[in-house]
Amino acid sequence: DAKTTQPPSMDCAEGRAANLPCNHSTISGNEYVYWYRQIHSQGPQYIIHGLKNNETNEMASLIITEDRKSSTLILPHATLRDTAVYYCIAPNYGGSQGNLIFGKGTKLSVKP
Amino acid sequence: SAVISQKPSRDICQRGTSLTIQCQVDSQVTMMFWYRQQPGQSLTLIATANQGSEATYESGFVIDKFPISRPNLTFSTLTVSNMSPEDSSIYLCSVAPGLPNTEAFFGQGTRLTVV
Repeated sequence: DAKTTQPPSMDCAEGRAANLPCNHSTISGNEYVYWYRQIHSQGPQYIIHGLKNNETNEMASLIITEDRKSSTLILPHATLRDTAVYYCIAPNYGGSQGNLIFGKGTKLSVKP
Repeated sequence: SAVISQKPSRDICQRGTSLTIQCQVDSQVTMMFWYRQQPGQSLTLIATANQGSEATYESGFVIDKFPISRPNLTFSTLTVSNMSPEDSSIYLCSVAPGLPNTEAFFGQGTRLTVV
């Protein structure tokens, strides 16, 4: 797995966009970038993943730089329920994709 | 997607005893995984459980302490043996479809307290 680096914590005002950065400078060409989040006392929840193109789904957008050394997860209109720890992971699956290595993630606090 | 049920959701156990945690999935899956999350920490992979073969353990985890069963494609168990207070953690089951570049799904975890 490529090493990822995230800020330990971030604050965001409710209703504003939350932009969570992740550095993955050692990522290889076939490694996707995945984002999961863990709301307190729950299991991790998949958010989004991408390889080189920007991706968007109903939960978030993922912006990956052209050199793929960093990415940003965007929650367009953060709510209090988005308060969670967000994990950026760049696994080297080799055919399987469940054996994830979790870093410390970013603790996002959405404030009213 | 996959829906994962873990039992029990929480338990308080005496040191020296063992607890078996069950993980049931609503569909057949190739890959099942067990994680531990110690208080205030991130998730750490314990082992990969494949149906029909021995589980593969990560460094620092051994079969005698964390025996795993995988009798079929929808079920697995993790036993925490001879427990000590240091085993107090959340234990999570995860599944993956076995296809490249697809997401993993997690159960809600079992919160274990050893006294």
